[in-house]
Amino acid sequence: QSALTQPASVSGSPGQSITISCTGTSSDVGGYNRVSWYQQHPGKAPKLMIYHVSNRPSGVSNRFSGSKSGNTASLTISGLQAEDEADYYCNSYTSTSTYVFGTGTKVTVL
Amino acid sequence: QVQLVQSGAEVKEPGASVKVSCKASGYTLTSYYTHWVRQAPGQGLEWMGVIAPTTDTTKSAQKFQGRVTMTRDTSTSTVYMELSSLRSEDTAVYYCAREMRDTFYFDYWGQGTLVTVSS
Repeated sequence: QSALTQPASVSGSPGQSITISCTGTSSDVGGYNRVSWYQQHPGKAPKLMIYHVSNRPSGVSNRFSGSKSGNTASLTISGLQAEDEADYYCNSYTSTSTYVFGTGTKVTVL
Repeated sequence: QVQLVQSGAEVKEPGASVKVSCKASGYTLTSYYTHWVRQAPGQGLEWMGVIAPTTDTTKSAQKFQGRVTMTRDTSTSTVYMELSSLRSEDTAVYYCAREMRDTFYFDYWGQGTLVTVSS
């Protein structure tokens, strides 16, 4: 199972919006609405930000939103803040009943 | 509150095995799957496998099949992951994470356990 494809880095100025893509296949991202997104700060454990493509857990800012079209899922961060600077990973359930992570995207706030 | 507390850092020689524990508190272990995810230094997250909450059924990524063993002890609310035939490429931080049955996402994570494989 190959990792899902994400851009290595995305940057934006405070207040701007950025979008991170996550491209898979019809056997993972495209086949199920079981895509989640995780934020990871250096030296910390990942934190769930989005589940089931577009749902936010309690306590996660509504500046974070998710969507999917075909085999590509996306995470959008609006009103970018300094605290959003971190690594972001997508994850999908797959047709073999396993899970696969994306390659990861480093978000930089300029 | 929900906590997953993992065992401490380990240093192992190539060819050895390592067993990492993940102790759950604040919830009923038998209501959740426990997943294992690793992260090599400077690299991304890699899903390793999962153990089901009540049947002890496990599923692992093809890459780890035959080398990873996941078990649980409900009496102590602890899940274990053992990785054998260690090589230098297995040096990584290993995380446990929970999934409510059939929800397909990981809502709480352990703090991570650094496993270093070196001669």
